[in-house]
Amino acid sequence: SQTIHQWPATLVQPVGSPLSLECTVEGTSNPNLYWYRQAAGRGLQLLFYSVGIGQISSEVPQNLSASRPQDRQFILSSKKLLLSDSGFYLCALKRNTEAFFGQGTRLTVV
Amino acid sequence: ILNVEQSPQSLHVQEGDSTNFTCSFPSSNFYALHWYRWETAKSPEALFVMTLNGDEKKKGRISATLNTKEGYSYLYIKGSQPEDSATYLCAPDVSGTYKYIFGTGTRLKVLA
Repeated sequence: SQTIHQWPATLVQPVGSPLSLECTVEGTSNPNLYWYRQAAGRGLQLLFYSVGIGQISSEVPQNLSASRPQDRQFILSSKKLLLSDSGFYLCALKRNTEAFFGQGTRLTVV
Repeated sequence: ILNVEQSPQSLHVQEGDSTNFTCSFPSSNFYALHWYRWETAKSPEALFVMTLNGDEKKKGRISATLNTKEGYSYLYIKGSQPEDSATYLCAPDVSGTYKYIFGTGTRLKVLA
């Protein structure tokens, strides 16, 4: 069965520092992969999705980028974090009508 | 534009009350609808996947119905308990796009 590994679970970073969150998938190949963010007091907002290696669709213009260097790896990055980047980041994969989620990363930018 | 709306935005009920909320989604190119129970800063917990118009699914005290022609689904909770307190999210699968977008959510608080 599919599993998603997402790390780290929590992260505190200073403003202006870079960010790299990694999501890796096991038990499936060629999944559709997604990054979501929950900002304070809000729901889950879709940031990026990918249907294959090197294919990234961006939903919301922002200070973040995503990459998919391998079929089962999806990376969320920033060159310089802003305070507004604080939130809960969630990686997900989708196969047909089933969705699976990572455990999430709580990012606090200070 | 894939627009998924849920109402109400938040809801407070007393323990033992029954409640329901709505998810509205585009009816064109509909493929499936997912309901999730979500606690902040955790992974969403899958409740139902519904595909057929008129479908009705039940899991314990929670049930859901689906109307694909008019683009809405209802989630019902019978005899609410404090442990039902969470945000309930819906997310439609729409053919022709790989986007998977959650609705705005209904935040339920059950008071003991």
